[in-house]
Amino acid sequence: EVQVVESGGGLVHPGGSLRLSCAPSGFIVSSNYMSWVRQAPGKGLEWVSVIYSDGKTFYADSVKGRFTISRDNSKNTVYLQMNSLRVEDSAVYYCARGGQWRRGSLYFDYWGQGILVTVSS
Amino acid sequence: QSVLTQPPSVSAAPGQKVTISCSGSTSNIGNNYVSWYQQLPGTAPKLLIYDNDKRPSGIPDRFSGSKSGTSATLGITGLQTGDEADYYCGTWDNSLSGGVFGGGTKLTVL
Repeated sequence: EVQVVESGGGLVHPGGSLRLSCAPSGFIVSSNYMSWVRQAPGKGLEWVSVIYSDGKTFYADSVKGRFTISRDNSKNTVYLQMNSLRVEDSAVYYCARGGQWRRGSLYFDYWGQGILVTVSS
Repeated sequence: QSVLTQPPSVSAAPGQKVTISCSGSTSNIGNNYVSWYQQLPGTAPKLLIYDNDKRPSGIPDRFSGSKSGTSATLGITGLQTGDEADYYCGTWDNSLSGGVFGGGTKLTVL
């Protein structure tokens, strides 16, 4: 059975750092593209970042230069390192598995339950 | 301000049909595939439609997707009270080199 589990959220001060982990079961992270998607309280979904099987990474403009997505194949885990955090980064962060890759297609077939990140002084 | 535009809300009676639109541009919907997600209150999003019109296994055929030019549409027939949720469209944007979502549409089944 496929499951996606996030961890590492919590309360952090503005300017601080946090690392989220995504440790799925039932599939190998390096065989799929993986994304982080966030949702601020009462707001819609916002795509954050993606890492492809070949290691290529892409970021939303709102987090570029501050967040880094990475993957540890030996631990079958995907990470989101978040630096220089801002109040507006507060959200539930979802880790999501990408579907079958083909050019022009980006979709997510399995999602974690989400982890809350609160940035506040 | 979302890159993809959805109506904030739609409503219909049980048993009826509803459509939700998603409008974009040539840098996103016009040249890429669209997916749709259902988010029930307090839960993670769930994939309903991918690659414009494909349903994952387990998604009933009451849900359908289509795309024309720079717009996409999600259709839901035989509405049930359990369909009350927020619905989001998503795709890749070539200009942004990133994923984008619509602002979401709240479906109310009256």
